[in-house]
Amino acid sequence: EDQVTQSPEALRLQEGESSSLNCSYTVSGLRGLFWYRQDPGKGPEFLFTLYSAGEEKEKERLKATLTKKESFLHITAPKPEDSATYLCAVQAPGAGSYQLTFGKGTKLSVIP
Amino acid sequence: NAGVTQTPKFRVLKTGQSMTLLCAQDMNHEYMYWYRQDPGMGLRLIHYSVGEGTTAKGEVPDGYNVSRLKKQNFLLGLESAAPSQTSVYFCASSARLAGRSTDTQYFGPGTRLTVL
Repeated sequence: EDQVTQSPEALRLQEGESSSLNCSYTVSGLRGLFWYRQDPGKGPEFLFTLYSAGEEKEKERLKATLTKKESFLHITAPKPEDSATYLCAVQAPGAGSYQLTFGKGTKLSVIP
Repeated sequence: NAGVTQTPKFRVLKTGQSMTLLCAQDMNHEYMYWYRQDPGMGLRLIHYSVGEGTTAKGEVPDGYNVSRLKKQNFLLGLESAAPSQTSVYFCASSARLAGRSTDTQYFGPGTRLTVL
């Protein structure tokens, strides 16, 4: 059974204090790993897709990396507007590719 | 482009009542999905559709029905609502890629449903 575990559950940072969020996964033949951002009362907003170990993608203060067992979302010099819940999801190959298995998310709070 | 839209945004039902949630997408996506999100749990797939006129069960399908009569619309029905169906419901869609695979899912803003 595909599993996704995100840590920590909650993270509180001072503005400018860089850190990383972790997403550990077990899936047979990862087809894709997705990062989303979710603001309170809103739907998940797509951030990144990673397909193979060693791949990295960046967007503003965010950088996502992927290994064979986990992914990290690095946040450099965060600002209060980066406060949100960050969701990780994995996609299996074949018939399971239509389904994403989500983690429970990491709630990030950035304090001015 | 509006992307993925959902109606209504909020709804309160009494146990046993029925309702339909509507999802619409203007991205010409082949695939559409319905998820529910509950506190302390990840998003869980209810039903999905790989094309007009097709539907399939996801992880938690019991108590729900769906229909995809038009490519751009995906309806989620609750025939007899139960308090356990109190949740936030999200619709998503994704494009068809080479072969029969798909990729990034784009989500709507959600419907908050309370069943008393």
